[in-house]
Amino acid sequence: DVKVTQSSRYLVKRTGEKVFLECVQDMDHENMFWYRQDPGLGLRLIYFSYDVKMKEKGDIPEGYSVSREKKERFSLILESASTNQTSMYLCASVTGGNTEAFFGQGTRLTVV
Amino acid sequence: GENVEQHPSTLSVQEGDSAVIKCTYSDSASNYFPWYKQELGKGPQLIIDIRSNVGEKKDQRIAVTLNKTAKHFSLHITETQPEDSAVYFCAAGGVRYGGSQGNLIFGKGTKLSVKP
Repeated sequence: DVKVTQSSRYLVKRTGEKVFLECVQDMDHENMFWYRQDPGLGLRLIYFSYDVKMKEKGDIPEGYSVSREKKERFSLILESASTNQTSMYLCASVTGGNTEAFFGQGTRLTVV
Repeated sequence: GENVEQHPSTLSVQEGDSAVIKCTYSDSASNYFPWYKQELGKGPQLIIDIRSNVGEKKDQRIAVTLNKTAKHFSLHITETQPEDSAVYFCAAGGVRYGGSQGNLIFGKGTKLSVKP
């Protein structure tokens, strides 16, 4: 079974902190994605990566950055957390082409 | 870029009834249309998908139809059961976006409640 693992289920951070959300996949997928899920807004793409050290902005990249040093790991970084970044964050991986996206279980981040 | 509209946002049905969720997309180059189910506390999971060379696909109680001319696709669940209660997302993909052809644009989701 494909596994996408996010490092934390729940996180509480303070405003201004630097926050790292980690995602690891075990299927050698090329493409990895970070989404943010908010009620009534669905899944919005923050950043994605189609290869090691490659990254591209999604629809809402402001306030976020990413890192992909190894193929299996894709990290989302909140440079200076703010309360409007309180949300559910979902990582996904896809092999090249139009195939199933596999999601992690999500990280619910609260910024206080 | 691609835009996906999904309706309704909430849907409540009686057990045994059918449920239909509809999506429209804007980019005629999209050629892959998956549907995901998200249960409480879990990440979304693929339940069925369809590609643009097919008009309909069925898997037991679940079916998806695609109308490429009108740029819309629908999820049909028959004989609904309480365990079908979840949030369902449609998505459109296949368009090369930067270096990736794996990107998916999601609808906003439909919360389906099946009452026993």
